Amino acid sequence: RKEVEQDPGPFNVPEGATVAFNCTYSNSASQSFFWYRQDCRKEPKLLMSVYSSGNEDGRFTAQLNRASQYISLLIRDSKLSDSATYLCVVNANTGNQFYFGTGTSLTVIP
Amino acid sequence: DAGVTQSPTHLIKTRGQQVTLRCSPKSGHDTVSWYQQALGQGPQFIFQYYEEEERQRGNFPDRFSGHQFPNYSSELNVNALLLGDSALYLCASSLGGQGRETQYFGPGTRLLVL
Repeated sequence: RKEVEQDPGPFNVPEGATVAFNCTYSNSASQSFFWYRQDCRKEPKLLMSVYSSGNEDGRFTAQLNRASQYISLLIRDSKLSDSATYLCVVNANTGNQFYFGTGTSLTVIP
Repeated sequence: DAGVTQSPTHLIKTRGQQVTLRCSPKSGHDTVSWYQQALGQGPQFIFQYYEEEERQRGNFPDRFSGHQFPNYSSELNVNALLLGDSALYLCASSLGGQGRETQYFGPGTRLLVL
């Protein structure tokens, strides 16, 4: 079983739509969770960390469900500039290794 | 404040050759991790360097080796290149080496093995 699993999509949504991505992880000892954004042929860039209490940054909301071992990302009022691949990242408490999902592709359509 | 830099940006090699990729971490960071990202996949962890030592290694063969210098910069070496080594190689830096801190990525080196 993979450490981190994501639905690869693609998700094609109109401008202004709300879209949600989920990601599951297999190691219950995982301690740190992140969402990264990667534009085509660019490096991943941190979008937000995910905290147990959930956190919000403008139009973006991240949630962590430890019982079910999944994290989610909600994007409200989608913009054309949100088109990218969103990578779920998990770090296990037992080491320094970060595990990336395969990424979920989002295209926001005018 | 300089971010993570990597060189070269692109590289073309043939099977069996050796390659060295370089990374300078973000100012103030002391930990460097290397990742391989194949097309359509997420980055895969190769190894991490902290205090000039390899602290953890992912599921990569010994053909992949590295080094960290006293100024925290790092090199990734790949010997006996295979076609399957063609990928984007990403360097990420962080501070503290505890394993939970945010990692910042460089622009990557695109390696093509012919």
